[in-house]
Amino acid sequence: AQSVTQLGSHVSVSEGALVLLRCNYSSSVPPYLFWYVQYPNQGLQLLLKYTSAATLVKGINGFEAEFKKSETSFHLTKPSAHMSDAAEYFCAVSEGRSNYQLIWGAGTKLIIKP
Amino acid sequence: GAVVSQHPSWVICKSGTSVKIECRSLDFQATTMFWYRQFPKQSLMLMATSNEGSKATYEQGVEKDKFLINHASLTLSTLTVTSAHPEDSSFYICSAREVFTDTQYFGPGTRLTVL
Repeated sequence: AQSVTQLGSHVSVSEGALVLLRCNYSSSVPPYLFWYVQYPNQGLQLLLKYTSAATLVKGINGFEAEFKKSETSFHLTKPSAHMSDAAEYFCAVSEGRSNYQLIWGAGTKLIIKP
Repeated sequence: GAVVSQHPSWVICKSGTSVKIECRSLDFQATTMFWYRQFPKQSLMLMATSNEGSKATYEQGVEKDKFLINHASLTLSTLTVTSAHPEDSSFYICSAREVFTDTQYFGPGTRLTVL
């Protein structure tokens, strides 16, 4: 069965510092991997996705993530945090075309310190 | 990009009444839509998978008679919370699967408060 683990329910970084949000997954088939962002009282917005093409995926708002099969990881990074990045971030996995139902991580709240 | 809308964005109702929430894919066709429920400070909980022209598939523990789902067209799915009670108060989010990119796009959510 598939599962997603996000390390750290809260991550706090200073404005301008590197953002690193961790996501590890388990899957018996080549996975599709996603990062979504949720701002307060809003729905989810797709940040980026990995669907078996390039392992380094660039998304919106300067975020990127790297698929590492050997580490079963898909960590989200941004070189320089901005105050507007404060939000909840969710990692999700699916089996792609064989089963597109998403399995969700618990979410990580990103806090930006001025 | 693909856009999904939900209506209403928030609703307050009396206990015992029914509430209908609409989910629309605005610029693409979605044979599959998903309904989620989100409790405060928690992740999304999948309630059901809605397939156009067929019955929805409900997750374990979700009452199909209480949460009625209708996916009547390729761009519209509705969730009706029947005989709502205060414990049904929650944030309900839908998503629509865009076939060509295998990506789920999410609506902005509907906050339901049952008094």
